[in-house]
Amino acid sequence: ETGVTQTPRHLVMGMTNKKSLKCEQHLGHNAMYWYKQSAKKPLELMFVYNFKEQTENNSVPSRFSPECPNSSHLFLHLHTLQPEDSALYLCASSQGVQGAEKLFFGSGTQLSVL
Amino acid sequence: AQSVTQLGSHVSVSEGALVLLRCNYSSSVPPYLFWYVQYPNQGLQLLLKYTTGATLVKGINGFEAEFKKSETSFHLTKPSAHMSDAAEYFCAVSEETSGSRLTFGEGTQLTVNP
Repeated sequence: ETGVTQTPRHLVMGMTNKKSLKCEQHLGHNAMYWYKQSAKKPLELMFVYNFKEQTENNSVPSRFSPECPNSSHLFLHLHTLQPEDSALYLCASSQGVQGAEKLFFGSGTQLSVL
Repeated sequence: AQSVTQLGSHVSVSEGALVLLRCNYSSSVPPYLFWYVQYPNQGLQLLLKYTTGATLVKGINGFEAEFKKSETSFHLTKPSAHMSDAAEYFCAVSEETSGSRLTFGEGTQLTVNP
């Protein structure tokens, strides 16, 4: 148990659906992240939030919409996704956003887009 | 810009044998280096990290890594493999100027044979 909880664990959706991924951290951290993990590819950083403010958007398509209502919760709203968006989506948190920070990861949401 | 190369997407060892997972990095400034492990159906967990100081870093579960600036390497080793070490291992690099923006390698899948 890393202190970072993601729901749902698995999600299957059609290209016209709208769904949301949820992440909650119980560690008192100030920074939260969304990563995409695809087969045979390195983890890709998608978004970074620090004290609820988005500090990085790594050129992510607008069909992915993050929301961070407070430092403990992070959402990823999905709409009109493409099959190539199928991947494991990992949430992470850290105390701060310094270069040497240790990240704590959730177990991920395995997303399949049909 | 920072980058990471992990040599060998799959490594197979016998139980009790030496584990060596290779990682080379590229960084324009002194790097922070990390090894994360991902067990099946779980998120990533930090094994160890190098920031400054002693170049031989000890981590959890008997793993260690040595920072070699002249070789731009940060290889991960364990003297004696255990069946429970079977997992995917990721090397990552960050820089103080990039904040907690980790750049990950593609990962190495470690198989431990009885």
